[in-house]
Amino acid sequence: DTGVSQNPRHKITKRGQNVTFRCDPISEHNRLYWYRQTLGQGPEFLTYFQNEAQLEKSRLLSDRFSAERPKGSFSTLEIQRTEQGDSAMYLCASSQTWGGDNSPLHFGNGTRLTVT
Amino acid sequence: DQQVKQNSPSLSVQEGRISILNCDYTNSMFDYFLWYKKYPAEGPTFLISISSIKDKNEDGRFTVFLNKSAKHLSLHIVPSQPGDSAVYFCAASDSGGYQKVTFGTGTKLQVIP
Repeated sequence: DTGVSQNPRHKITKRGQNVTFRCDPISEHNRLYWYRQTLGQGPEFLTYFQNEAQLEKSRLLSDRFSAERPKGSFSTLEIQRTEQGDSAMYLCASSQTWGGDNSPLHFGNGTRLTVT
Repeated sequence: DQQVKQNSPSLSVQEGRISILNCDYTNSMFDYFLWYKKYPAEGPTFLISISSIKDKNEDGRFTVFLNKSAKHLSLHIVPSQPGDSAVYFCAASDSGGYQKVTFGTGTKLQVIP
């Protein structure tokens, strides 16, 4: 179990630029989640995938945000035309479902985005 | 609208004593509750969970209590150890699954040696 891996760990970008983050989940996990955490807050749900299908998106996920999981393995989260309000820690998590049960979320160490 | 609330941003406890972290929720549809622990520069790590059909779940030094009528849960750590110093997040989900876990704002626990 190598855990959930996220790259890069840190990203500094200028307002208006596009950024892309990558998440590699635990290999046998079929569900993948994206969360965002700002200072003093808990993680906020953005979206999740079961295999390659994106099953739910939060209203927090504006049109500038897009997430993909093309082969049901790794996922990317792209933010277009970044704004200063996008500065946050972006957390990826994965879990395994079997029957009607689910395992708890396993989180990566996150990508910290700073928009200047 | 904060559906999961942790009203104590911080807590200090002496080593060996009990730590009690509290959490309130407002959404009656929540039926599964979890606690996560987070160290600096790391992602949250699952600690313990409880289904709404139970009122207590225990795992070693950690016990979670659920009071559905009060929409309140608490995490007890006995005895507290310095390595327990971290931010603890209360979280909840509905439909018995983990599809969309809603987190509280966290309580920073400091265990003093």
